[in-house]
Amino acid sequence: EVQLVETGGGLVQPGRSLKLSCVASGFTFNNYWMSWTRQAPGKGLEWVASITNSGGSTYYPDSVKGRFTISRDNAQNTLYLQMNSLRSEDTATYYCTRDGDYGPFDYWGQGVMVTVSS
Amino acid sequence: DVQMTQSPSYLAASPGESVSISCKASKSISNNLAWYQEKPGKANKLLIHSGSTLQSGTPSRFSGSGSGTDFTLTIRSLEFEDFAVYYCQQYNEYPYTFGAGTKLELK
Repeated sequence: EVQLVETGGGLVQPGRSLKLSCVASGFTFNNYWMSWTRQAPGKGLEWVASITNSGGSTYYPDSVKGRFTISRDNAQNTLYLQMNSLRSEDTATYYCTRDGDYGPFDYWGQGVMVTVSS
Repeated sequence: DVQMTQSPSYLAASPGESVSISCKASKSISNNLAWYQEKPGKANKLLIHSGSTLQSGTPSRFSGSGSGTDFTLTIRSLEFEDFAVYYCQQYNEYPYTFGAGTKLELK
């Protein structure tokens, strides 16, 4: 059974940093691209970052480019999201997702809440 | 960026009825369109990819159609477990973008 378990969320002040982790199990982690997607309270879904299976390439929307860094440790079956210079608008539930064979996100974690507030 | 316009935002229906949700892309995305289901306390579920291909485990009462810019999710013979929020997503190009969601409520 595929499982994605996110940790590392919490309350952080604006301008500070936070690192999220996602431990994957139930599949061969290094065969799949992985992504992060977020959902602000009461809002829709927003794609945040993607990384190739080797970790050699990464992709971001303009809203987080230069502030967030996605990475992975294939030996530990773990995906990361380093978030720097956090803003109030980064407040959201962050989901770890697996990029399926056909492109979209075929498995999602339960999510971890990040609150950016002073 | 590709804008995804999803409608309606809310939909009220009864078990046994059929409903349709529309998703329009601001430019052609070929058939690179997915539909997801969101339910409280559960991980989001991929229902359909490639516009019309049911993901493994998706009940056959769900169907997707369309290509280019116009897409539709249809649920026939609604069951209680189908009342949820549905999102479309284009994965034709970065940044991947989602529709705003449709909340399917029990009438």
